[in-house]
Amino acid sequence: DGGITQSPKYLFRKEGQNVTLSCEQNLNHDAMYWYRQDPGQGLRLIYYSQIVNDFQKGDIAEGYSVSREKKESFPLTVTSAQKNPTAFYLCAGWTVCRNEQFFGPGTRLTVL
Amino acid sequence: DQQVKQNSPSLSVQEGRISILNCDYTNSMFDYFLWYKKYPAEGPTFLISISSIKDKNEDGRFTVFLNKSAKHLSLHIVPSQPGDSAVYFCAASGDTDKLIFGTGTRLQVFP
Repeated sequence: DGGITQSPKYLFRKEGQNVTLSCEQNLNHDAMYWYRQDPGQGLRLIYYSQIVNDFQKGDIAEGYSVSREKKESFPLTVTSAQKNPTAFYLCAGWTVCRNEQFFGPGTRLTVL
Repeated sequence: DQQVKQNSPSLSVQEGRISILNCDYTNSMFDYFLWYKKYPAEGPTFLISISSIKDKNEDGRFTVFLNKSAKHLSLHIVPSQPGDSAVYFCAASGDTDKLIFGTGTRLQVFP
């Protein structure tokens, strides 16, 4: 069974705590992406990485950090500096052969 | 500034009829467009795409039309089925690997 795995499906954290969302892929994607979805706002790009050990800020990178030490893994850390972290987070990879982004199942983060 | 716009937040269509979802964009550098379908608490799934060298692409019940001069694309679903009820996002890309998504249209297909 292949694809993009995000874990956990639901995550709860207390305000002021950093939290890391996992994204793993076995599809050999070079490029990987993190989005957040909020009601009525579509998908907004947080960070993306086109190759290992390199990543770029998206439109709403403030309060987030990422790493890309391995091709298969692109974890997202939601820091305490993110003012409104409660959202649905989606990880995606770019399939060059099909020219589309392939999404994981998402993680819903709730900060209490 | 929203580069990709879906001005209808929701659409309700009777089963068997045509569903038409619309999308407008402002960046003339966009040359590739995609439609995604999303159910609640799940990741979006790819539906259909179109390159700017075409004005129509068809895949089964789904057809995407592109009007470059109007910077407008639309997704037609014929015939609509209850299982089509979901949120539909259009997305566009240009000379980068980034996709710019619209805000989505919630389609409800009723019997």
